[in-house]
Amino acid sequence: AQSVTQPDIHITVSEGASLELRCNYSYGATPYLFWYVQSPGQGLQLLLKYFSGDTLVQGIKGFEAEFKRSQSSFNLRKPSVHWSDAAEYFCAVGVTGGGNKLTFGTGTQLKVEL
Amino acid sequence: DAMVIQNPRYQVTQFGKPVTLSCSQTLNHNVMYWYQQKSSQAPKLLFHYYDKDFNNEADTPDNFQSRRPNTSFCFLDIRSPGLGDAAMYLCATSRERLNTEAFFGQGTRLTVV
Repeated sequence: AQSVTQPDIHITVSEGASLELRCNYSYGATPYLFWYVQSPGQGLQLLLKYFSGDTLVQGIKGFEAEFKRSQSSFNLRKPSVHWSDAAEYFCAVGVTGGGNKLTFGTGTQLKVEL
Repeated sequence: DAMVIQNPRYQVTQFGKPVTLSCSQTLNHNVMYWYQQKSSQAPKLLFHYYDKDFNNEADTPDNFQSRRPNTSFCFLDIRSPGLGDAAMYLCATSRERLNTEAFFGQGTRLTVV
């Protein structure tokens, strides 16, 4: 069965600093990969997705992620964090044949210091 | 404009009293999902509908049921809520099962007293 690991439970960065959130997945074939963001008490908003093709994907709000098959990783990056980026970030994997039956990581809580 | 709408946003129910959560979509998507998210945990898929075809996850308790009377609406029924069922319930839709993104609603926060 597929699984997702987000090793960092909490991350604190200063506004304007760069950000990288880590995500590792376990799956035997090429997965569909997603990053979602969740503000307190809210649903999930899709930041970006990888299905195939270019391994560097651009998303909304200035986020990007890079799929590295050799490392089974799909890390999320942003060059300059804004205070409004404070939220919880979930990496998820969808498996071939299961489509959007997503398995989520446990999330990374991002705090932004002004 | 909201595309996946969940009602109510907050629901308080009594221990053992049946409760129904509602989800509607304006996207005309084929697939609708229900996820359970407990505090500080990842969302966990309970079941999904592909059109009228119901697909239950193996570890979803029998206490949880779902109905999809038409394309636009999907309901989550909890027959006898326990304290452990307190959670955020997230509805999502996708156009198809493959190669399409999932759109989530705002969620319903269920409290069991």
